[in-house]
Amino acid sequence: AQSVTQLDSHVSVSEGTPVLLRCNYSSSYSPSLFWYVQHPNKGLQLLLKYTSAATLVKGINGFEAEFKKSETSFHLTKPSAHMSDAAEYFCVVSGTGFQKLVFGTGTRLLVSP
Amino acid sequence: ETGVTQSPTHLIKTRGQQVTLRCSSQSGHNTVSWYQQALGQGPQFIFQYYREEENGRGNFPPRFSGLQFPNYSSELNVNALELDDSALYLCASSLDGLSYGYTFGSGTRLTVV
Repeated sequence: AQSVTQLDSHVSVSEGTPVLLRCNYSSSYSPSLFWYVQHPNKGLQLLLKYTSAATLVKGINGFEAEFKKSETSFHLTKPSAHMSDAAEYFCVVSGTGFQKLVFGTGTRLLVSP
Repeated sequence: ETGVTQSPTHLIKTRGQQVTLRCSSQSGHNTVSWYQQALGQGPQFIFQYYREEENGRGNFPPRFSGLQFPNYSSELNVNALELDDSALYLCASSLDGLSYGYTFGSGTRLTVV
């Protein structure tokens, strides 16, 4: 079975400093991996996706993630945080067969001025 | 191109009642998935419909049921509501169930009292 573990439930940064949200995955085959963002009282928005192409994936709003098979990791980074980045972030792996999405428990990103 | 729309946005039901949630898929999408997101948790897969047939189900009891219509819109029905059914219910659509193509709606917030 596929699963993801988000290593931090909360991450606090100051505006303008780098962001690192950590995710490890478990999969019996080459997975598709995603990061989604959820702002308060909103639905989920896809930030970026890895589907076995380039291991460094660039997404929207300056976010990127690197797929590291040897470490089974897919960490999300951004060079400089903005106040509008404050939200809940979910690391997601796709399942087998009909490719359901398996979500992590989420990391809440707090950005202070 | 319209996105995924869900209705209603909020509703309150009494324990034991039945509820129907609705989802209009994105134009051109033939697959709809439903997810339950309890407060402070990541979304959990309920089931998926592809061309009007259920082709995948998560670990939810039979009182959670669904339909997909010829225009690919969908309904989620929950019978005999329990307090623990209180959650945000998210609908996502994609073309042919491809995991990298899901678009999420903003959800329906269900409160069971």
